[in-house]
Amino acid sequence: GAVVSQHPSRVICKSGTSVKIECRSLDFQATTMFWYRQFPKQSLMLMATSNEGSKATYEQGVEKDKFLINHASLTLSTLTVTSAHPEDSSFYICSARDRKSTDTQYFGPGTRLTVL
Amino acid sequence: GQQLNQSPQSMFIQEGEDVSMNCTSSSIFNTWLWYKQDPGEGPVLLIALYKAGELTSNGRLTAQFGITRKDSFLNISASIPSDVGIYFCAGQNNNDMRFGAGTRLTVKP
Repeated sequence: GAVVSQHPSRVICKSGTSVKIECRSLDFQATTMFWYRQFPKQSLMLMATSNEGSKATYEQGVEKDKFLINHASLTLSTLTVTSAHPEDSSFYICSARDRKSTDTQYFGPGTRLTVL
Repeated sequence: GQQLNQSPQSMFIQEGEDVSMNCTSSSIFNTWLWYKQDPGEGPVLLIALYKAGELTSNGRLTAQFGITRKDSFLNISASIPSDVGIYFCAGQNNNDMRFGAGTRLTVKP
């Protein structure tokens, strides 16, 4: 089946630093990847849609200058949390849509970010 | 963005019992999906529904896409301890996927 990986699985950083999270589709090509944020005991909230070779589309209320997204290839999208603050601590999950399948999104295992 | 209304929020059941949960929306979706999420992990797709009225099974799981395209339900039959987790419904139109708040399932052996 389709596999999506994320790296790192957990990261702890100091306030003010930047953190990069990678999302890879391992056995399929993804023209579109999605980034979600999930706070404890809450549902997934879409942050942005990442399109290969073009700018990401951000959801309302998500700062594009704070959450930088790069989708440089058909198998890799990165999310960089810039100048992280404690309130950015969350579980970040990516998903990827198989370019051969128009409907199915496959999720990565998530990245737990803790900002001290 | 638009969120779905998922119920119940939580369920405590005995092993062997059947479970039912559902999602409703004020908007129409072209695709309904059901995911299970274990603690500290990403959601795993259980069932995808593509046509209004469609009834699909995956082992002990059965899900239906409502005729109005605004609702879906998921049934789990003969629950087992490993069914424990959070179940999310999701409605999707092209690139736009919206999630329900989740149903937290606890199964007592």
